[in-house]
Amino acid sequence: GQQVMQIPQYQHVQEGEDFTTYCNSSTTLSNIQWYKQRPGGHPVFLIQLVKSGEVKKQKRLTFQFGEAKKNSSLHITATQTTDVGTYFCAGNTGNQFYFGTGTSLTVIP
Amino acid sequence: GAGVSQTPSNKVTEKGKYVELRCDPISGHTALYWYRQSLGQGPEFLIYFQGTGAADDSGLPNDRFFAVRPEGSVSTLKIQRTERGDSAVYLCASSLSYRNSPLHFGNGTRLTVT
Repeated sequence: GQQVMQIPQYQHVQEGEDFTTYCNSSTTLSNIQWYKQRPGGHPVFLIQLVKSGEVKKQKRLTFQFGEAKKNSSLHITATQTTDVGTYFCAGNTGNQFYFGTGTSLTVIP
Repeated sequence: GAGVSQTPSNKVTEKGKYVELRCDPISGHTALYWYRQSLGQGPEFLIYFQGTGAADDSGLPNDRFFAVRPEGSVSTLKIQRTERGDSAVYLCASSLSYRNSPLHFGNGTRLTVT
C-alpha cells in the first residue's frame, strides 16, 4: 500500500541553526501538503505543492516538490523556538491524504 | 469562524464496549476525513466522505469500525467491541473539496480502552 516516509524522525538544533526534513513516497503523488503539529495540538496546514519541481517560500520556510513528484522537503532557515513541533508531509494520490511519519523538531535556546 | 468540533475530547471505556465519536465539520465543507494518531506517529487514514457517501473506507482496520455521515454534515465514527489496541487520538478533518484543499483538523478525541 501507499507509504510516505520522513527523515529524520527527530532533530535537535540550536536556535539560529537551519533544519530540513525530507519526505519520500513509494508512489507518484498528485500533490503534497505540509502540516505542523505543536505538542498536544492538532495538525495545522502550512502549504500545498502541486507541480513537478515546484518551490514555495513562506518567510523562513522553503518547500520543494521533486521532479518525479515522489519526494518533497521542508527547510527552515535560522530556527526559532516558535518552530518547535512535529512537521508532517501528506501525499495525495487521488482519494485521500497519506501522512508521513513526521519529524519532531526541538529548538534549544 | 467556527472550526471543526469533535466530541467528546476524552473517552475512557472498558474493553468490549461500544463507543461513538462525533465530528462537526466546518459549515460548507463537503469532504470529511477520519484519521487516528498514536503517540509519536503520523495520522493514519481511516475513511473519507464526499457529501453523505463514504468515498473511500479502505483505511478502516476491520469490521468493528464504521462511520456515517447521513446528512452530509456531522459524522459519527462507531467502534464496536473495543480493544486496548484501539486506544489513540481520533482526528477528524474537513475540507472544501478533496485533493486540492487544505485539511482543517479538529482537536481530536482521545480514546482510552482499559
